[in-house]
Amino acid sequence: SQQGEEDPQALSIQEGENATMNCSYKTSINNLQWYRQNSGRGLVHLILIRSNEREKHSGRLRVTLDTSKKSSSLLITASRAADTASYFCATDAPYSGAGSYQLTFGKGTKLSVIP
Amino acid sequence: GAGVSQTPSNKVTEKGKYVELRCDPISGHTALYWYRQSLGQGPEFLIYFQGTGAADDSGLPNDRFFAVRPEGSVSTLKIQRTERGDSAVYLCASSPYFSPTSGNEQFFGPGTRLTVL
Repeated sequence: SQQGEEDPQALSIQEGENATMNCSYKTSINNLQWYRQNSGRGLVHLILIRSNEREKHSGRLRVTLDTSKKSSSLLITASRAADTASYFCATDAPYSGAGSYQLTFGKGTKLSVIP
Repeated sequence: GAGVSQTPSNKVTEKGKYVELRCDPISGHTALYWYRQSLGQGPEFLIYFQGTGAADDSGLPNDRFFAVRPEGSVSTLKIQRTERGDSAVYLCASSPYFSPTSGNEQFFGPGTRLTVL
């Protein structure tokens, strides 16, 4: 089952603009991560934010996390055509001493950056 | 260094046939995951290995699906009596040993696209 829901499902912007994608989830988390996927194949890890963090930056990426609202946002500044891809948020549950550290993904946001 | 590799990249089979999908994780990574991604959806967890043992197989949809990792490195996902609904991209990921206080970044392979006719 999917834990997260990304919003919007699809986003089309001009090169140079900022892109903002949102993710909501349902249960308590340990960490939240964002991944990028090109052409429906392998995922590339972008950034991880822990449940006790509120904001994190990496290059042109900025991630925020609001655990009270169970939501996160990913901001890509000064977008480029090469940023065109699908973006997924993924959560893992708080450590319980049993089970795995599986990631639970949302359905993704398809970003198109027009040159 | 080399990333996670998966073979074959594409597999077309007929309904009822048996298939094996292979994953070669990053050297030294003890944790290995299999996910399945249907068109327009995010990946869904199938099974997790810590070393050689399947620590969590709660995501396997039914007993037609089975996975092994006999030497704690390469893993094979096996699907018996394939059905059209098994068509999807099967993704493998690996990560270093997980500690509760650290993150859980997973490194994904390119996937195997399985088509059952």
